Amino acid sequence: GESVGLHLPTLSVQEGDNSIINCAYSNSASDYFIWYKQESGKGPQFIIDIRSNMDKRQGQRVTVLLNKTVKHLSLQIAATQPGDSAVYFCAENTGSGYALNFGKGTSLLVTP
Amino acid sequence: ETGVTQSPTHLIKTRGQQVTLRCSSQSGHNTVSWYQQALGQGPQFIFQYYREEENGRGNFPPRFSGLQFPNYSSELNVNALELDDSALYLCASSLVGRNTEAFFGQGTRLTVV
Repeated sequence: GESVGLHLPTLSVQEGDNSIINCAYSNSASDYFIWYKQESGKGPQFIIDIRSNMDKRQGQRVTVLLNKTVKHLSLQIAATQPGDSAVYFCAENTGSGYALNFGKGTSLLVTP
Repeated sequence: ETGVTQSPTHLIKTRGQQVTLRCSSQSGHNTVSWYQQALGQGPQFIFQYYREEENGRGNFPPRFSGLQFPNYSSELNVNALELDDSALYLCASSLVGRNTEAFFGQGTRLTVV
């Protein structure tokens, strides 16, 4: 079965609000977690990643938080824009070196 | 846009047929991975190629096979197509051991009827 999963399949936010997308994982051996954005008709696009020895990492308008105690990962998007509408996936790299394990995805819809 | 290109973009095949999908890697990348993404699901790892050899495989039957060429481009072959093989097939290129920096192509949408 999957070891990476998402709490909510869809999320609707208003333009300008902050968005939070959550992800749970079960594999304690995962050494990297990655967030991808996938727009309709396109392949997944890398957003941000975080090593398992970190708690927080910030990028441009995005922040990823990792809570290893409860095996939880979140992606925060500040000042959400219509262009942020997409499906977001968390993925883990277990250190085997060759596979990314993806969750099912959360659809983010930004309304004006 | 990434430098990973896939062809064709869409394909319709009949059950039992064979299909070949192609991928050109990002310049400088020596590793290619293939993923299957069913509608409404996350991508599932099929296999990875490095130095023209399979470097790891997910839970897919042997009728899924691949090739990597000296220029690092790759093919995914699926024999004896089944209806459940209908999906978006994604190619991702990276440097060996650095899958967190993988770049995905736009995918090939395969429909099996």
